[in-house]
Amino acid sequence: KQEVTQIPAALSVPEGENLVLNCSFTDSAIYNLQWFRQDPGKGLTSLLLIQSSQREQTSGRLNASLDKSSGRSTLYIAASQPGDSATYLCAVPGQGNTPLVFGKGTRLSVIA
Amino acid sequence: DGGITQSPKYLFRKEGQNVTLSCEQNLNHDAMYWYRQDPGQGLRLIYYSQIVNDFQKGDIAEGYSVSREKKESFPLTVTSAQKNPTAFYLCASSKQGANYEQYFGPGTRLTVT
Repeated sequence: KQEVTQIPAALSVPEGENLVLNCSFTDSAIYNLQWFRQDPGKGLTSLLLIQSSQREQTSGRLNASLDKSSGRSTLYIAASQPGDSATYLCAVPGQGNTPLVFGKGTRLSVIA
Repeated sequence: DGGITQSPKYLFRKEGQNVTLSCEQNLNHDAMYWYRQDPGQGLRLIYYSQIVNDFQKGDIAEGYSVSREKKESFPLTVTSAQKNPTAFYLCASSKQGANYEQYFGPGTRLTVT
């Protein structure tokens, strides 16, 4: 059964710092990996979807990488801002196109 | 604007009452999902549907029921059999299952006293 782990559970950084969030998954036979952002009391917002054939996907200051063979993905946030403070979750499809399996997220605080 | 709407945003009920949470999407997606989110537990899948008139149980389906009579709508009923119904409930959809990008609604916070 697919399991997704995110480390660290929480992270606090000063404004302007570049940072990396980590996601690992146990079954490397994934179709894609999705990164989400969640603000307190809100739904999830899709940030990046990276296909299994891709190694990287970029959107603005965000860059996601995927290494299927090692079961890892990273989300790189450049020049962090207080507005980036949120919980970031990664998810991969289960086996046979079954629903997404989520990590528990990394709660990011960017301090001005 | 295309998207997923959930209503109401906050819902309060007395113990022993059934309550139905609404989820509507205008993205023309075939697949829809219901998740429950509790502090420190992450998202847990309740039910999902990949096509109209068909749905499957997720990891924590006990005490919940769903219907999928229309492509746009996937209501969730929290029954009195659900032992700990107080939680944040999230609805999501994707084009044709989990291999496609998934989009979420704003959520409904249910409090049962």
